[in-house]
Amino acid sequence: QLQLQESGPGLVKPSETLSLTCTVSSGSIYNKNYYWGWIRQPPGKGLEWIGSIYYTGTTYYNPSLKSRVTISLDTSKNQFSLELRSVTAADTAVYYCARDGRLLYNYDYWGQGTLVTVSS
Amino acid sequence: DIQMTQSPSTLSASVGDRVAITCRASQSISTWLAWYQQKPGKAPKLLIYKASNLESGVPSRFSGSGSGTEFTLTINSLQPDDFATYFCQQYNTYSTFGQGTKVEIK
Repeated sequence: QLQLQESGPGLVKPSETLSLTCTVSSGSIYNKNYYWGWIRQPPGKGLEWIGSIYYTGTTYYNPSLKSRVTISLDTSKNQFSLELRSVTAADTAVYYCARDGRLLYNYDYWGQGTLVTVSS
Repeated sequence: DIQMTQSPSTLSASVGDRVAITCRASQSISTWLAWYQQKPGKAPKLLIYKASNLESGVPSRFSGSGSGTEFTLTINSLQPDDFATYFCQQYNTYSTFGQGTKVEIK
C-alpha cells in the first residue's frame, strides 16, 4: 500500500522559508502515471491546492502562490519537497502531500498532514 | 480564478436520510469536478471524480451528478461513518476547492 509522510519544522518565523519533504514508500515517484502534489488547510478552514510535480520535474503552481513556491523531486530518495518563501501568519496550516493518480489533480493517496505554524 | 461555492455550509441529518450537497462553479468546468470526504484530524478521502465516477472502494450510496457550473453529491441512506465534512474540487483550470459542507447528526 502506497504511503506518504510529510516531514519538516513545525514552527517557522515570519519572512523565512517553509521547507517540507514528502517521503513516498511502497511505490516509486519516478512514474509517468502520477503527479505528486501539495495541498494545505489553515486551521478550521478549507483546502488550498499549492502545486504539483511530474516525474520529469515539470511543475504546476497555484497562481496565487507561484511567486513564492518551489516544488522539487529527489528520485534517489523517493521524495519530493515544498519550499514556500517569505511566509506570514496566513501561511499557518496543515500541509498535506498527495498523489494524483490520474494526472488530473485527483488526489487518491494522502499523507497524514503536518501542522506548520508561522510565528516569531 | 474559478471560485467554488458549496451549499449548505452545515447540514443536519439522521442515519438513513438521503442528503444532497450542491457545489457551484463561477464558470463552466465541464465535468472536471471531484468530491472528497474529510474527518477531523484526517486527510481528505477521494469519493467521486469527473463529476459522477465513483472512486474504487467507495460505497455505492455515494453518487455525483452535474456538469457545467452546478454539481451535486448525494448520499443515499446516510450511515454513522458518513458524518464528516465534504469538499468539492474543480480541476478544469489548475485546482480550487469549495469551502466545505459539514454533515452533522440531527
